[in-house]
Amino acid sequence: QQKVQQSPESLIVPEGGMASLNCTSSDRNVDYFWWYRQHSGKSPKMLMSIFSNGEKEEGRFTVHLNKASLHTSLHIRDSQPSDSALYLCASRGSALGRLHFGAGTQLIVIP
Amino acid sequence: DPKIIQKPKYLVAVTGSEKILICEQYLGHNAMYWYRQSAKKPLEFMFSYSYQKLMDNQTASSRFQPQSSKKNHLDLQITALKPDDSATYFCASSQGNNQAPLFGEGTRLSVL
Repeated sequence: QQKVQQSPESLIVPEGGMASLNCTSSDRNVDYFWWYRQHSGKSPKMLMSIFSNGEKEEGRFTVHLNKASLHTSLHIRDSQPSDSALYLCASRGSALGRLHFGAGTQLIVIP
Repeated sequence: DPKIIQKPKYLVAVTGSEKILICEQYLGHNAMYWYRQSAKKPLEFMFSYSYQKLMDNQTASSRFQPQSSKKNHLDLQITALKPDDSATYFCASSQGNNQAPLFGEGTRLSVL
């Protein structure tokens, strides 16, 4: 069973709109979450990380974490067509560096 | 300039053959990884190395063998190739386990 569940599978938002992506881990040992963005045909690029409960903002991107429920969310405000990509959530549950990735949310921003 | 170099970018192989995927990183990182991504499965961890030593292995099949000849190299040898091995193989590296891995551009393998 997949350790990291992401929803929705796909999301269409208008340019300038807000995109909200969700991620939950089933591993009670998880201590780190990362969000990666992967444009079509390219490699994943780390977008944001969060390790503590609460919220973290970087420009148009905000990430939330609730460690009790092992749930993280990524919010993109003022979405741009260049934000169209596969967004991957990753968690780490050990000290060995292994990341578990979700299947991703395919975001499409329509001009 | 890419800091993690993977070669080749594209690879076509016949079933039963053997291939080596090359990865070199010029970031001075001490940890290197292999991940695999296919249409059927999400990005999947395969191996991690730290200071040229195998730290973690998620791959059940012995057909996949990582090889680290230098501290900034981590190649992946795949033997007895099967069509199911068709995927994009990403090499990644990080400085320690707490840093998010940086991914190379990948090698896209097709097994016919």
